[in-house]
Amino acid sequence: DAKTTQPNSMESNEEEPVHLPCNHSTISGTDYIHWYRQLPSQGPEYVIHGLTSNVNNRMASLAIAEDRKSSTLILHRATLRDAAVYYCILNTGANSKLTFGKGITLSVRP
Amino acid sequence: GAGVSQSPRYKVAKRGQDVALRCDPISGHVSLFWYQQALGQGPEFLTYFQNEAQLDKSGLPSDRFFAERPEGSVSTLKIQRTQQEDSAVYLCASSLRRDQPQHFGDGTRLSIL
Repeated sequence: DAKTTQPNSMESNEEEPVHLPCNHSTISGTDYIHWYRQLPSQGPEYVIHGLTSNVNNRMASLAIAEDRKSSTLILHRATLRDAAVYYCILNTGANSKLTFGKGITLSVRP
Repeated sequence: GAGVSQSPRYKVAKRGQDVALRCDPISGHVSLFWYQQALGQGPEFLTYFQNEAQLDKSGLPSDRFFAERPEGSVSTLKIQRTQQEDSAVYLCASSLRRDQPQHFGDGTRLSIL
């Protein structure tokens, strides 16, 4: 599986937007970009995924670079409940297993 | 809601004992996955089922690990002759189809003494 690179950690303030970056320079044409997050003592939770176009859902937005070598997960207004480890994962539909890295730990200050 | 349910939530066993971990996936989900998560690390893939068929077991670390899903719903992960390095959180996930988002349970935390 193609690998992703994320910063180890990021801090944000409550009610402010958060931009979580992910680099995936070796992405292939069939790789979807997935984001999952994991709150303390819970299993991972699906956030969003996309292929080429930017995507929006009730949880977040995903901005994908034109060359697809990087992407950004955007939380529009961070809440304390958004403090979690966020994983950026490349995955093809045919290869359904998820390959997690260490993710980025997001802290949210009140 | 009826999410993925795992039991037990916590399991303590002595080295050398056998353990069985249960996963109840979301009803109707064809695909089922097991992952292992060591402390401070991301989850690592163990095995994948499509209905009752185990299509990928490439992540199972040794032949002491065995998984089954006999009727295509509930799955059991069994670890024989447990060792200390088996201590981890074991996560189960299910999805409607293999290319759909995975829904995770909260895991079983296994501690081997």
